[in-house]
Amino acid sequence: EDQVTQSPEALRLQEGESSSLNCSYTVSGLRGLFWYRQDPGKGPEFLFTLYSAGEEKEKERLKATLTKKESFLHITAPKPEDSATYLCAVQGSGNTGKLIFGQGTTLQVKP
Amino acid sequence: NAGVTQTPKFRVLKTGQSMTLLCAQDMNHEYMYWYRQDPGMGLRLIHYSVGEGTTAKGEVPDGYNVSRLKKQNFLLGLESAAPSQTSVYFCASSEMGEQFFGPGTRLTVL
Repeated sequence: EDQVTQSPEALRLQEGESSSLNCSYTVSGLRGLFWYRQDPGKGPEFLFTLYSAGEEKEKERLKATLTKKESFLHITAPKPEDSATYLCAVQGSGNTGKLIFGQGTTLQVKP
Repeated sequence: NAGVTQTPKFRVLKTGQSMTLLCAQDMNHEYMYWYRQDPGMGLRLIHYSVGEGTTAKGEVPDGYNVSRLKKQNFLLGLESAAPSQTSVYFCASSEMGEQFFGPGTRLTVL
């Protein structure tokens, strides 16, 4: 069964304190791993897609990496505006386009 | 280019009432999805569609029906609302890759 587990559930950082969020997955035939950001009261906003082990993607202070079993979202020198819930999802084999989401990590960055 | 829009944004129902949530996308995507999001449960797939005129059950389909009569629209219906259907509902669309989400509908069933 396809499954996604994110850790930690919640993370508090001081502004400028770098850290990483983890996304562990099991899926039959990975077609893609996706990272989203969700602000309170809003829909998830797409950040990155990773397709194969060793791939990395960057956007401002965020960097996503992928191995065969997990993905990391590294946050370098975070700012308060980076506070949000970060969701990880995987897409397995098949033609439905369905995503399996993790529970998310809620990040709070204090000034 | 509005992306994915959802109507209404908020709704309060009484137990047993019915309603329809509307999702519209202007990206010409083939695939559309309805999710519900509850605290501690994450995003759970209710129903989805892989093209105009098609629908399929997701992880939590009971109590919901859907229709995709036009490619750009995906409707989610609650025939007889129950308090357990109190949730935030998100619609998404895609072309097999990343999904793009709407702003959500917050539904309360009393």
